[in-house]
Amino acid sequence: EIVLTQSPGTLSLSPGESATLSCRASQSISSSYLAWYQQKPGQAPRLLIYGASSRATGIPDRFGGSGSGTDFTLTISRLEPEDFAVYYCQQYGSSPLFTFGPGTKVDIK
Amino acid sequence: QLQLQESGPGLVKPSETLSLTCTVSGGSISSSYYWGWIRQPPGKGLEWIGSIYYSGSTYYNPSLKSRVTISVDTSENQFSLRLSSVTAADTAAYYCVRHSYYYDRSGSYYTRPFDHWGQGTLVTVSS
Repeated sequence: EIVLTQSPGTLSLSPGESATLSCRASQSISSSYLAWYQQKPGQAPRLLIYGASSRATGIPDRFGGSGSGTDFTLTISRLEPEDFAVYYCQQYGSSPLFTFGPGTKVDIK
Repeated sequence: QLQLQESGPGLVKPSETLSLTCTVSGGSISSSYYWGWIRQPPGKGLEWIGSIYYSGSTYYNPSLKSRVTISVDTSENQFSLRLSSVTAADTAAYYCVRHSYYYDRSGSYYTRPFDHWGQGTLVTVSS
C-alpha cells in the first residue's frame, strides 16, 4: 500500500500570497497518478488536479500541480479568500487501492 | 448535471449494520463509471471504502473488506453501502462518489480520481 505524507500540516498565509503544498509517497507513483482535492468546512472535497498537473474542469489557473515519482507539489498563486481550505493529495491508477494523504490546512494569517 | 445524494439513518447502534443509499440523478448509473463510498471521521482525513460497477463488480479497501457490502440497483439508479458490526470508530461523514477507469493497450486496468461527490451524510454510532 502506498502511504502519502503531506507537509506542512498547516500553512498560514495572507490573501494575495502564494502557497506551496507538498505530498510525498512511500513508493513511486506510476504515470503520475496523483490527484489533489480541496475541502471547505461542511462541504465535500472537490477535485482540483489529476495526473499530477492537469486541472480538473472549471478549476482556475492559479492552481498548479507538479512532480513525479514520489514527490509532488500543489501551488496556489495569489491566494483568494475562497482558497483557504484543507487540501488532500490522493493516489490512484494501477494500485487496487485509493489512498489519501492526511491533508494540509491553508488558513488566513 | 450529474448529482449524487446520500440517504440513510444518521444514528446507528454499536454492533448493528450501517446502511446508506446513494441516488444518482442527471446521468445513468449504467454507464462506464465506477461508483464508490468514502468516509471521513469528524476532524480527520479521507478513507476510501469501496467501489462498484453497474454490472455488480466490486472491490473494497482490505482494511474494511470483511464488514463491507456495496450493491447496485440499476432500475432505481442507486447504489448502496452496508457496513456491519459498527463501533464508535465508524462514526464519520460518508460520501458517495464517481470515478472512471480505462484499460491500456496491454489490457492493464487503471482507475481515475473521484470527479463527482455527494454532499455527504453524517452517521453517528452510539447507543
